[in-house]
Amino acid sequence: SQTIHQWPATLVQPVGSPLSLECTVEGTSNPNLYWYRQAAGRGLQLLFYSVGIGQISSEVPQNLSASRPQDRQFILSSKKLLLSDSGFYLCAWSLSGGAANSPLHFGNGTRLTVT
Amino acid sequence: AQSVTQLDSQVPVFEEAPVELRCNYSSSVSVYLFWYVQYPNQGLQLLLKYLSGSTLVESINGFEAEFNKSQTSFHLRKPSVHISDTAEYFCAVIDTGNQFYFGTGTSLTVIP
Repeated sequence: SQTIHQWPATLVQPVGSPLSLECTVEGTSNPNLYWYRQAAGRGLQLLFYSVGIGQISSEVPQNLSASRPQDRQFILSSKKLLLSDSGFYLCAWSLSGGAANSPLHFGNGTRLTVT
Repeated sequence: AQSVTQLDSQVPVFEEAPVELRCNYSSSVSVYLFWYVQYPNQGLQLLLKYLSGSTLVESINGFEAEFNKSQTSFHLRKPSVHISDTAEYFCAVIDTGNQFYFGTGTSLTVIP
């Protein structure tokens, strides 16, 4: 069966520091991968998605970036964090090939607090 | 582009009472519909989905949702809620472009 791992679970970082959040998927090949952010009391905001290695689409211009160095690894980064980057970050995957009946499967999330 | 509307941001309900969480989507073209549940400080878990066939779909923990194409709705219901059902619930839609759209969520609080 497929599993998704996301770490760390919680993170407290000062303003201006770098960020690296990692997500890996097991049990499937060439998944679609996603990064979402969930601000307190608000819905889900799609940040990035990837349909393959090195293929990243950005939905929202900001100081965050994403990379996919391996088929089942998705990394969210920032060179300098802002206070507004605080939130709950969720990684997700779905089956590739445009399978319209494939739901998203989420990791357990990372709670990021920028101080 | 699609939009998903969850009309109620917060729903308090007493234990063992029925509940309905409302969800409407914007387009009448073919879509696939999902409900997700999020417990505090956790990721989203798939609760149930409508892909085709019977318009009434059920989950293993007593929730059900009915796809109503004419009203472009996919409301979530449970006849008798438990304390453990307290969580955030998200409605989601995939359109023919395989793009996911989420509602803003409904916070269900079950009162003992």
